[in-house]
Amino acid sequence: DVKVTQSSRYLVKRTGEKVFLECVQDMDHENMFWYRQDPGLGLRLIYFSYDVKMKEKGDIPEGYSVSREKKERFSLILESASTNQTSMYLCASRLGRDSSNQPQHFGDGTRLSIL
Amino acid sequence: AQSVSQHNHHVILSEAASLELGCNYSYGGTVNLFWYVQYPGQHLQLLLKYFSGDPLVKGIKGFEAEFIKSKFSFNLRKPSVQWSDTAEYFCAVKASGGSYIPTFGRGTSLIVHP
Repeated sequence: DVKVTQSSRYLVKRTGEKVFLECVQDMDHENMFWYRQDPGLGLRLIYFSYDVKMKEKGDIPEGYSVSREKKERFSLILESASTNQTSMYLCASRLGRDSSNQPQHFGDGTRLSIL
Repeated sequence: AQSVSQHNHHVILSEAASLELGCNYSYGGTVNLFWYVQYPGQHLQLLLKYFSGDPLVKGIKGFEAEFIKSKFSFNLRKPSVQWSDTAEYFCAVKASGGSYIPTFGRGTSLIVHP
């Protein structure tokens, strides 16, 4: 069974800090995704990656960056955290670009609070 | 670009009631359709999916969904809900052969009273 592991379930940081959210998947999936989930807004895509060292902006990339140096790991970076980035962050992975009819597999989420 | 609309934001039912959650999408071409469920404190997981063939799709836990192409709809149904179905439900659509990125609806929160 696919396992997508996010490094923290809960995280509290201060305004202006640089924040790293880590995500690791164990099924050799090419595609990885970062979403934020807010009440009433559903899932909004921040960034995604088709493969190692590749990244594409999603719908709401402002204030975020990503890193994909290894296939299994996809990191989300908040360059200078702000209170409006308080949210639940979800990581997902999916088997390869040419198998895009495959479903995504999600991690448990990181609930991030910026004070 | 595709978009997804889930009309019911909050649904409250008693056990044994029937459930239908609406999902409509806008996209003129061929689509792949998904329903995901998120139980309290758990990760999102796939409930069912449609790619081609029989438009009536059966998923886990007694859920089913029907793809009606003429109505651009993919509504989720269950004939008799249980307390354990309390969760948030998300519909997602992806343009087949185009963008590889699915678009999610805003979700429907379902509460089932015992």
